[in-house]
Amino acid sequence: RKEVEQDPGPFNVPEGATVAFNCTYSNSASQSFFWYRQDCRKEPKLLMSVYSSGNEDGRFTAQLNRASQYISLLIRDSKLSDSATYLCVVNQAGTALIFGKGTTLSVSS
Amino acid sequence: DAGVTQSPTHLIKTRGQQVTLRCSPISGHKSVSWYQQVLGQGPQFIFQYYEKEERGRGNFPDRFSARQFPNYSSELNVNALLLGDSALYLCASRNQVGYNEQFFGPGTRLTVL
Repeated sequence: RKEVEQDPGPFNVPEGATVAFNCTYSNSASQSFFWYRQDCRKEPKLLMSVYSSGNEDGRFTAQLNRASQYISLLIRDSKLSDSATYLCVVNQAGTALIFGKGTTLSVSS
Repeated sequence: DAGVTQSPTHLIKTRGQQVTLRCSPISGHKSVSWYQQVLGQGPQFIFQYYEKEERGRGNFPDRFSARQFPNYSSELNVNALLLGDSALYLCASRNQVGYNEQFFGPGTRLTVL
């Protein structure tokens, strides 16, 4: 079983749509969790950290369920500029970031 | 403030050659990590350094080595290059070892022919 699993997509949605990405992780000892965004041929950029209490940043909401080892990202009112690959990331032992393969989102007008 | 910088941006090598990639962390950050990202995959952890000491190593062969300098910059060396080493090599910095966020540089795109 892969350490971090994501549906690769692609997710093709119209502007204004709400889209949700899911991610599962295998190591129950994982301590911190993130969503990174990566544009084509660019470096990953931190989108948001994910907490058990859930957190929201504008149109973006992230949730963590430690019991199910499940992480989610919800994007409301999608914009063309949201088109990118979204990487689910888990931090183990304070050293390595473990990345999923990424979920590709394409928002069209 | 400058972000993480990496050099060179692109590199073309042939099989069997050796390559050195360079990274300068964000000012004040003492920890540098290296990742390899092949096309269609997420980045994979190679090394982490903190205060010039190796703090973690991923599942990569001994052809891969790294070091960190007193000014916290870092080099990644890859010997005896293989075609499969073609990838985007990313450097990330953070201000300490732990569970806080890492910030990535633009990467070095290595092509091995």
